[in-house]
Amino acid sequence: ILNVEQSPQSLHVQEGDSTNFTCSFPSSNFYALHWYRWETAKSPEALFVMTLNGDEKKKGRISATLNTKEGYSYLYIKGSQPEDSATYLCAFMTTDSWGKLQFGAGTQVVVTP
Amino acid sequence: DVKVTQSSRYLVKRTGEKVFLECVQDMDHENMFWYRQDPGLGLRLIYFSYDVKMKEKGDIPEGYSVSREKKERFSLILESASTNQTSMYLCASSVAGGNEQFFGPGTRLTVL
Repeated sequence: ILNVEQSPQSLHVQEGDSTNFTCSFPSSNFYALHWYRWETAKSPEALFVMTLNGDEKKKGRISATLNTKEGYSYLYIKGSQPEDSATYLCAFMTTDSWGKLQFGAGTQVVVTP
Repeated sequence: DVKVTQSSRYLVKRTGEKVFLECVQDMDHENMFWYRQDPGLGLRLIYFSYDVKMKEKGDIPEGYSVSREKKERFSLILESASTNQTSMYLCASSVAGGNEQFFGPGTRLTVL
């Protein structure tokens, strides 16, 4: 089982502040890195799928970067809003994983007004 | 929009009961997955299927079996439920060779 680590485990942010958190993964046999957002009582939904070293993706106030050589990805939230409160999961896919994802434990973000 | 549905949001069963969790997707996806989520552990893969009647064990298959008789439906079976199977169960689907997985809303199973 590949080890995908996310830190911190949880984060409390004031509304309007920016924040970021990390996903670390093994750098060998890299194929793709996913970020999912999981809001309470909803289904996890994909934010980004990243495949190339140096990739940067953006969706509104949320962006992500990828470094496959050193095995990490950062997720950034700019100007956090209460609706950003969720658990953010990263997941890693290798070239030989046949479409299977290995998930980290998630970073729980709570944005307070 | 891709829609993945699960038969129940909440389920309470007794130890030793046989439990069926059903998952249906409406986007003709080849791949389907069953995960369980426990606090601090993230999503762990129980089983997946890449085609009708095909199944592969994931990281934690012990105590579970699956069935995929039709492309759109993937069932998770707990032959004899035990208290350590109390968890949130999530189903997902994706296209063959695809990246993004689409998730159902989850079933929170409690085994007493």
